[in-house]
Amino acid sequence: GQQVQQSPASLVLQEGENAELQCNFSTSLNSMQWFYQRPGGSLVSLFYNPSGTKHSGRLTSTTVIKERRSSLHISSSQTTDSGTYLCALKLNSNNRIFFGDGTQLVVKP
Amino acid sequence: GPKVLQIPSHQIIDMGQMVTLNCDPVSNHLYFYWYKQILGQQMEFLVNFYNGKVMEKSKLFKDQFSVERPDGSYFTLKIQPTALEDSAVYFCASSFDRGDTQYFGPGTRLLVL
Repeated sequence: GQQVQQSPASLVLQEGENAELQCNFSTSLNSMQWFYQRPGGSLVSLFYNPSGTKHSGRLTSTTVIKERRSSLHISSSQTTDSGTYLCALKLNSNNRIFFGDGTQLVVKP
Repeated sequence: GPKVLQIPSHQIIDMGQMVTLNCDPVSNHLYFYWYKQILGQQMEFLVNFYNGKVMEKSKLFKDQFSVERPDGSYFTLKIQPTALEDSAVYFCASSFDRGDTQYFGPGTRLLVL
């Protein structure tokens, strides 16, 4: 079954608005990563966040293990933030990463 | 931070031909991975590799696929022969240890005609 579920599937914002992306997982995890996938397909790692809260510029990631969820908050969105955001989890039981379906973000000027 | 490189960034080949995708992992990493993402679909695990051996592979890792890392050079994914359904973006990743974070390359976009 689906190990990782992301929501929303798509999100349209006006520049300057904030975005909250969610990732829920169905089993205990070893680590959680958030990626940004550019429209051309290349992948950029945003956060490696197995638990707690991490900040990087306008981005904040919060993982709450006992609630089996992780979120990515984008503040003051910019048009260049447009793209697909993927969360991925690695299970304690094996060494592979399971990706969510992604959230497609469009930020309009 | 640590960088994983992938060569080429794009490849177009005819169905039935062989293709080799190259990955230059982080220099001191010991575990290597390939993932496949068909356009518009979820990224999925193909295989992981350690100490010269395939440790784990998924159902997507068909018999036509093979991986190797000869003499500590590139970590390669070879597809022979290619099929139309192999068209996808292939991502390489590496990690130092089994439980560590995986660092991803930018991907190779493969188009099989």
